[in-house]
Amino acid sequence: AQSVTQLDSQVPVFEEAPVELRCNYSSSVSVYLFWYVQYPNQGLQLLLKYLSGSTLVKGINGFEAEFNKSQTSFHLRKPSVHISDTAEYFCAVIGNEKLTFGTGTRLTIIP
Amino acid sequence: NAGVTQTPKFQVLKTGQSMTLQCAQDMNHNSMYWYRQDPGMGLRLIYYSASEGTTDKGEVPNGYNVSRLNKREFSLRLESAAPSQTSVYFCASSPQDWTEQFFGPGTRLTVL
Repeated sequence: AQSVTQLDSQVPVFEEAPVELRCNYSSSVSVYLFWYVQYPNQGLQLLLKYLSGSTLVKGINGFEAEFNKSQTSFHLRKPSVHISDTAEYFCAVIGNEKLTFGTGTRLTIIP
Repeated sequence: NAGVTQTPKFQVLKTGQSMTLQCAQDMNHNSMYWYRQDPGMGLRLIYYSASEGTTDKGEVPNGYNVSRLNKREFSLRLESAAPSQTSVYFCASSPQDWTEQFFGPGTRLTVL
């Protein structure tokens, strides 16, 4: 069975500081990986995805993520956050099963 | 293109009442999904439809039924609502089975 773990349920960060949101997955087969963002009272929007090729993936709003197969991780990073990045972030994986979501990380930006 | 649309945006029901949540997509996607989102639990799949004419149970199907009316529309029905079904419901679609999914804005349902 595949699974996704987001260890940090909440991450507070000062404005203009860097941030890393952690995601680890387990799967017995090759995977596709996704990060979605959910702004308050909205649906989920795709930030970035890894399907194949370069392990460093760039997404919208200055976010990037690196696929690390040996560590089964797909951490999300941004070098300098803005107030508008306040949202909940979900990591998701597709292996040989349906799309499986992590429980989410709430990113709070401190002015 | 509107993408994925959901109606209604908000709904309050009494225990035992029934209702149908509507979802439509205009991206010509084959696959459609219904999720519920509860605090601290992420998104859980209720039902999905890999293609027109097919539906399958997800992780939490009890208390729900679905209809894939045509390629565009996928509805979720609660026959007898219970307080445990208080949640935010999201519909999503994808070009093919289990590829990148596009989400609607959600329906916030409260069952009293």
